[in-house]
Amino acid sequence: EDQVTQSPEALRLQEGESSSLNCSYTVSGLRGLFWYRQDPGKGPEFLFTLYSAGEEKEKERLKATLTKKESFLHITAPKPEDSATYLCAVYMIKAAGNKLTFGGGTRVLVKP
Amino acid sequence: GAGVSQSPSNKVTEKGKDVELRCDPISGHTALYWYRQSLGQGLEFLIYFQGNSAPDKSGLPSDRFSAERTGGSVSTLTIQRTQQEDSAVYLCASSLFTITDTQYFGPGTRLTVL
Repeated sequence: EDQVTQSPEALRLQEGESSSLNCSYTVSGLRGLFWYRQDPGKGPEFLFTLYSAGEEKEKERLKATLTKKESFLHITAPKPEDSATYLCAVYMIKAAGNKLTFGGGTRVLVKP
Repeated sequence: GAGVSQSPSNKVTEKGKDVELRCDPISGHTALYWYRQSLGQGLEFLIYFQGNSAPDKSGLPSDRFSAERTGGSVSTLTIQRTQQEDSAVYLCASSLFTITDTQYFGPGTRLTVL
């Protein structure tokens, strides 16, 4: 069964304390992995798409990496405004229909 | 420019009633998506429209759910005979061409089934 698992479920950081979020997947037919940020009461905001193992993308204090089995979202020197839920999703090509599967998210709280 | 808009923002209905949720994508975006997010849960993919192709309905949870996209723009998600487990936030997103393009989300419609 295709699965996408995010860990940890919640993360409390002090401002400036760098950390990493994990998104592991057991899927076949992977065509892309997405990272989103979601603030309470709002729709997700797209961050990155990664297509192949070894790929890396950066945006401000965020850096996403991809291996064959997992992706990491590194947050460097976070600020309180980085507090949000971070979601990853995997897009697969399936005979029964293309499929986009989301992980459960990691809630990040950055305290000043 | 205008982003993705959804209406209504909140909908309260009684069990067994039908509801329609509307999504206006960003102008010029040919791909449109519907997702569902239950309380404290991640996003659940429902359906994906890409241009004039047949929609990918693989995520629809039951035959009570249907969606259409008229004229390649506005989309309506219809839930027939609503059940309490249908209560969730329904999110719409659009992207320029395909699912691997940046997706822009609307604010969502919060559906409560009593």
